[in-house]
Amino acid sequence: DAGVTQSPTHLIKTRGQQVTLRCSPKSGHDTVSWYQQALGQGPQFIFQYYEEEERQRGNFPDRFSGHQFPNYSSELNVNALLLGDSALYLCASSPPWGTEAFFGQGTRLTVV
Amino acid sequence: QKEVEQDPGPLSVPEGAIVSLNCTYSNSAFQYFMWYRQYSRKGPELLMYTYSSGNKEDGRFTAQVDKSSKYISLFIRDSQPSDSATYLCAMSARGGADGLTFGKGTHLIIQP
Repeated sequence: DAGVTQSPTHLIKTRGQQVTLRCSPKSGHDTVSWYQQALGQGPQFIFQYYEEEERQRGNFPDRFSGHQFPNYSSELNVNALLLGDSALYLCASSPPWGTEAFFGQGTRLTVV
Repeated sequence: QKEVEQDPGPLSVPEGAIVSLNCTYSNSAFQYFMWYRQYSRKGPELLMYTYSSGNKEDGRFTAQVDKSSKYISLFIRDSQPSDSATYLCAMSARGGADGLTFGKGTHLIIQP
């Protein structure tokens, strides 16, 4: 079992650009959540996808959007990047009717 | 007041000591409680999961939840240098259907 996989591992973007991050959930998991973790902070919930719909959203602006595909994989898109968007972006997956969330290794985004 | 408070440390203890890590929270709707371990520049790894109040033991780890006091703890027995990491508490109201609310994380150092 490959666990939760994220790509790319590192990314450098320029302010104002757009970025897409990708996540493949653990085998058998159908729910995907995205988190932003700034340096020295705990992860902050961005949104959660279930059955290809956004089920819940945290306190993040509309510049953050996502998508879930029929195979349960997911993308996180961020438009009009700001310097403050520099962070570790984490994807977590959960099984059907499950309560635990399992995280990937994250994508480290640097905005310059 | 943040929803979840966690002392960021660092907490430094000698090898073999019992470690106590704690979080307090303000949202009485939280029912699902998790502890994650995060090594530097890696994704969080799920250590313990507890539903509602009570204790749960897994090897050297014991998780305790006191909902009446809105207080959760993680104890690590016979601590090892490999336990040196950041420990994050996380909680939610509806388990897998909810995004997790995290503490800031406690940086733990086990001295050989």
